[in-house]
Amino acid sequence: DAGVTQSPTHLIKTRGQQVTLRCSPKSGHDTVSWYQQALGQGPQFIFQYYEEEERQRGNFPDRFSGHQFPNYSSELNVNALLLGDSALYLCASSQDGTGRLVQFFGPGTRLTVL
Amino acid sequence: RKEVEQDPGPFNVPEGATVAFNCTYSNSASQSFFWYRQDCRKEPKLLMSVYSSGNEDGRFTAQLNRASQYISLLIRDSKLSDSATYLCVVKSGGYQKVTFGTGTKLQVIP
Repeated sequence: DAGVTQSPTHLIKTRGQQVTLRCSPKSGHDTVSWYQQALGQGPQFIFQYYEEEERQRGNFPDRFSGHQFPNYSSELNVNALLLGDSALYLCASSQDGTGRLVQFFGPGTRLTVL
Repeated sequence: RKEVEQDPGPFNVPEGATVAFNCTYSNSASQSFFWYRQDCRKEPKLLMSVYSSGNEDGRFTAQLNRASQYISLLIRDSKLSDSATYLCVVKSGGYQKVTFGTGTKLQVIP
């Protein structure tokens, strides 16, 4: 049973570019959440997708957008990249639509913006 | 005030020592609490959920104090392999919005 997978593992972009990160949830999970983790900080919640809709959103600008597909996989898009967007982007999946169950994390995508 | 606060450490302890971490949260309506462990440059992994009555898993004991709005993690007989960052997680709201603390770094020394 595969866990949460993310691609790519590493990515280097320049300021102003756009990036798309991908996540496949753990088998049987229907809810996907995205987090940004800067060096030395805890993960910060970006948004959560359930039934292909953005259900909750953290304090991130509209440059951050996402999508969930019918197979529950998800994408995170970031436009007009800034140096401060450099971070580890984590995807987490869970089964319960109410969010009560535990989230399992993928290995993350490390984004560097130059 | 941050929603979830932890002492960032580092806590440097010798092998075999007992160490305790606290985490405070600001939302009194928070409903679920967890401790995650994160190794350097890896993803967070669930260590244990925290129940109102307190719970234990081997050398690890977690407790919740709703009145004072904090949770704690106690590690007994520390092992070198316990060296990691320990993240406090609080869920609140109808869809259980997840908030992480900044993490407490533990280094167990031989």
